[in-house]
Amino acid sequence: AQSVTQLGSHVSVSEGALVLLRCNYSSSVPPYLFWYVQYPNQGLQLLLKYTTGATLVKGINGFEAEFKKSETSFHLTKPSAHMSDAAEYFCAVSPNDYKLSFGAGTTVTVRA
Amino acid sequence: GAGVSQSPSNKVTEKGKDVELRCDPISGHTALYWYRQRLGQGLEFLIYFQGNSAPDKSGLPSDRFSAERTGESVSTLTIQRTQQEDSAVYLCASSGGPPNYGYTFGSGTRLTVV
Repeated sequence: AQSVTQLGSHVSVSEGALVLLRCNYSSSVPPYLFWYVQYPNQGLQLLLKYTTGATLVKGINGFEAEFKKSETSFHLTKPSAHMSDAAEYFCAVSPNDYKLSFGAGTTVTVRA
Repeated sequence: GAGVSQSPSNKVTEKGKDVELRCDPISGHTALYWYRQRLGQGLEFLIYFQGNSAPDKSGLPSDRFSAERTGESVSTLTIQRTQQEDSAVYLCASSGGPPNYGYTFGSGTRLTVV
């Protein structure tokens, strides 16, 4: 079985500051890992994904995430927050089957 | 179609009524999923279709919930005798291949049971 833990249900950052969203997973096999973003009243949009190969993954909107197997982590970062980054972010894991297991989500607010 | 389409976008229903939620996946996507998102919570898996069959329906909360898919396309999620705890956003997603393809989500149906 696999599960996803997102540390911090709410994160508040200043515009221009680093955004760091933490995600740890448990999986019995090397997983596929994803970050999704959900803007208000919209569906989820894929930000980035890790499948195989390079452990530093770059996604849309300047976000990136690093897969660290030894730490079972897949933290999401963006060097400089923008007001448009205010949204809810979900980490998800899929250990080689069709189902994704999602974390509880982290809401990001950006202060001007 | 260009994306995953869900209808209706909003549904208010009285307790005890039946509702049907519809999902039109991306054309050619063989895998289709339903998830539920309650206010302030993460996504709960409900059911997974591969083609027209549902190899995993383990997330359906009770026998009041059912889903079908026809023609390897449209899927309908039906909730019978709705209860207030059924109030949530119901999200549909489709995928064209293995999990490394990722999902494409629809915008969801917001169900409110009053």
